[in-house]
Amino acid sequence: QKEVEQDPGPLSVPEGAIVSLNCTYSNSAFQYFMWYRQYSRKGPELLMYTYSSGNKEDGRFTAQVDKSSKYISLFIRDSQPSDSATYLCAMSEGNTGFQKLVFGTGTRLLVSP
Amino acid sequence: NAGVTQTPKFRILKIGQSMTLQCTQDMNHNYMYWYRQDPGMGLKLIYYSVGAGITDKGEVPNGYNVSRSTTEDFPLRLELAAPSQTSVYFCASSYSRGVREGDGYTFGSGTRLTVV
Repeated sequence: QKEVEQDPGPLSVPEGAIVSLNCTYSNSAFQYFMWYRQYSRKGPELLMYTYSSGNKEDGRFTAQVDKSSKYISLFIRDSQPSDSATYLCAMSEGNTGFQKLVFGTGTRLLVSP
Repeated sequence: NAGVTQTPKFRILKIGQSMTLQCTQDMNHNYMYWYRQDPGMGLKLIYYSVGAGITDKGEVPNGYNVSRSTTEDFPLRLELAAPSQTSVYFCASSYSRGVREGDGYTFGSGTRLTVV
């Protein structure tokens, strides 16, 4: 069993739809949770960061963490064609140790005009 | 600022050949990292460095070597290329070893390597 599981997709939605991207994990010690966006042939860029449980909102993006279920989500409201990318979740047990960051395999999102 | 620059962008190697993937950052970051990204496998850490002259192994270091003689540069060396090293390689840097937002973790655009 992988430490972090993520559906590879692709997930195809029409412009304006609400998108839900998810990751599950098995390590209950994870405390720091991140979402990265990766455009084709580019490096990942940090999109959202959450510490422990709860929600965080930034514009059209909302990140949720449910530690009891070991489940994290990224919601995108009013999705745009420019949101078409691969979304990677990543998580870590502690703050001091980026070398221990564990990435999901990524979900490819396609938003059609 | 250029951020993290990787060269070359693409390369085809024959089995047994060697090459160096270059990585340079202009943000004065102390921490630098090399990852490989394979389909269905996610990003895997190969090597990392916490400063000039200091390097350490990540999750998948076999078949690779690194050096860090300056703050700016962190080259990755493949000595005897094998088909299993066909992948997309990403270099990254950060100004701290933390994982919080604001810690300036920045990726390069990657090098696509094919070993035939």
